[in-house]
Amino acid sequence: AQTVTQSQPEMSVQEAETVTLSCTYDTSESDYYLFWYKQPPSRQMILVIRQEAYKQQNATENRFSVNFQKAAKSFSLKISDSQLGDAAMYFCAYSSSGYALNFGKGTSLLVTP
Amino acid sequence: AAGVIQSPRHLIKEKRETATLKCYPIPRHDTVYWYQQGPGQDPQFLISFYEKMQSDKGSIPDRFSAQQFSDYHSELNMSSLELGDSALYFCASSLSYTDTQYFGPGTRLTVL
Repeated sequence: AQTVTQSQPEMSVQEAETVTLSCTYDTSESDYYLFWYKQPPSRQMILVIRQEAYKQQNATENRFSVNFQKAAKSFSLKISDSQLGDAAMYFCAYSSSGYALNFGKGTSLLVTP
Repeated sequence: AAGVIQSPRHLIKEKRETATLKCYPIPRHDTVYWYQQGPGQDPQFLISFYEKMQSDKGSIPDRFSAQQFSDYHSELNMSSLELGDSALYFCASSLSYTDTQYFGPGTRLTVL
């Protein structure tokens, strides 16, 4: 079974600064998808970014970018110019094609003024 | 843009009662997933449907059942409720079984 590990239960960043959230995963498959979801206090699960394993180029979405290292099975999320609204629980997730999301335990991000 | 709709948003039940949660996927989405998120935990996959057929099954108790209807909406039926069933239940939908899953707002179930 695939496992997803987020080794940072909590992280803190100042407004306008940059923060990187770590995620590693374990799989024997070559074709899969990786995601970062954000869960603010409202508990809504919001997609932040998606990466297909077959793509070497790292995905970016505005202030959010990933560093995807397939050989190292690492998938970190970088948030640039952090904003107060970025404060949330961030979940890294893995999915084989067509199958359910397998989530990490999450990283709680605190943004300070 | 239209999002995933879940109803009800909040539900309070007594032990041993039954509950039905409904999910209306984003229009044209043909795949539905159900997840359970306990307090302080990550979401756990329960069951999924693709084109009205069960496509995958996770840690869903035998007391729970689900189906996807001809209009692609899905219902999760929960019987003999236990205190441990208190959780946030998410439905997610995708355009195909290979596409990104978009989550609904969740149904918060409290079992007393």
